[in-house]
Amino acid sequence: EAGVVQSPRYKIIEKKQPVAFWCNPISGHNTLYWYRQNLGQGPELLIRYENEEAVDDSQLPKDRFSAERLKGVDSTLKIQPAELGDSAVYLCASKTGYEQFFGPGTRLTVL
Amino acid sequence: AQSVTQPDIHITVSEGASLELRCNYSYGATPYLFWYVQSPGQGLQLLLKYFSGDTLVQGIKGFEAEFKRSQSSFNLRKPSVHWSDAAEYFCAVTDNAGNMLTFGGGTRLMVKP
Repeated sequence: EAGVVQSPRYKIIEKKQPVAFWCNPISGHNTLYWYRQNLGQGPELLIRYENEEAVDDSQLPKDRFSAERLKGVDSTLKIQPAELGDSAVYLCASKTGYEQFFGPGTRLTVL
Repeated sequence: AQSVTQPDIHITVSEGASLELRCNYSYGATPYLFWYVQSPGQGLQLLLKYFSGDTLVQGIKGFEAEFKRSQSSFNLRKPSVHWSDAAEYFCAVTDNAGNMLTFGGGTRLMVKP
């Protein structure tokens, strides 16, 4: 069974530019998460989806971040415009039962 | 609100030595606890989990963890560390619905030859 797929794996952009990350969860997993992991820290939740509905986006900085999960499968996380402080690893995870399965992440560097 | 504390930011052990990584949690009800490992440039891999029952749980790669309710702890152990165990280890707790996973700050393990 394929795991959670994310792309790109690495992205380097200049500040004020837009950037998008893509996630394909494990087949059949209705719950999808986006996390941000700053260097030397644990992941922090940005948004949780149940199917196509965002049920917890309280930690998503809505002035510059947006996310969507069309058809309740793949998901895209966007930042526009990016700031220096957005440099981090963005992790996607999907859940079955009580277990979350994580993708390899996208490492974003904002110059 | 739930929280997790990993008191040790860095730990260095010699290859073949035993290992214990500490984790303390705060949660009002019976916690569901996890240990994840993250190698450089990789996502998080689940090592083991505790939901209920036997308080000593076995995981992959020879790891085990013990849940101690009285101490609000869920420490990770391995009797003999291998060089390939060098990585970052995260303890996490989830709510009863399994929706909200809260991580500790992580412990970076280095293994000396």
